[in-house]
Amino acid sequence: AQKITQTQPGMFVQEKEAVTLDCTYDTSDPSYGLFWYKQPSSGEMIFLIYQGSYDQQNATEGRYSLNFQKARKSANLVISASQLGDSAMYFCAMREGRGGSARQLTFGSGTQLTVLP
Amino acid sequence: EADIYQTPRYLVIGTGKKITLECSQTMGHDKMYWYQQDPGMELHLIHYSYGVNSTEKGDLSSESTVSRIRTEHFPLTLESARPSHTSQYLCASSGDRGVYEQYFGPGTRLTVT
Repeated sequence: AQKITQTQPGMFVQEKEAVTLDCTYDTSDPSYGLFWYKQPSSGEMIFLIYQGSYDQQNATEGRYSLNFQKARKSANLVISASQLGDSAMYFCAMREGRGGSARQLTFGSGTQLTVLP
Repeated sequence: EADIYQTPRYLVIGTGKKITLECSQTMGHDKMYWYQQDPGMELHLIHYSYGVNSTEKGDLSSESTVSRIRTEHFPLTLESARPSHTSQYLCASSGDRGVYEQYFGPGTRLTVT
């Protein structure tokens, strides 16, 4: 079974509008962390935002926010006021176990976001 | 800002050649990782290390090998390159604080002809 599922291979959004990128996850571990990374066409992976399984509040980081619905096992990324520079591939990832002992991130298949002028 | 470096950024090489992809970080991180990524696809872990002299294979089987003799250095070697090795290779590291996010290098795009 897929541990991280991103069902939107591609998304388009008009500049200055908000967009939501979907991510659902599957784990039986009560302790886990969810990450979103941005990968521009240049190839590097840029860390955007993190949500821990025990965090009570949704994470926010500037224009990025994470809509965390634990019971539904979803961790959608919301980008407000889209900019042309937001055009990139976005990956959702999960780390199972506590941060100090966990060994790897499991990535979803990604969503290609295109911001239209 | 993350300080993790990979060289070369691009490499085109013939079948059968031995290659080493370099990865270095200056953050003193104990944990380091190698991922393989085909264009537009997800990342797959091929190797990781918890510290000096510690290396493990990841979920994706790979013919490559790694070594960790120094904390800051985590090179990946292919003894005999094949066209099936054509891919992007991303190196990452993570520390022991905060949310333990992984910092990624710029990647090496490898093409084996």
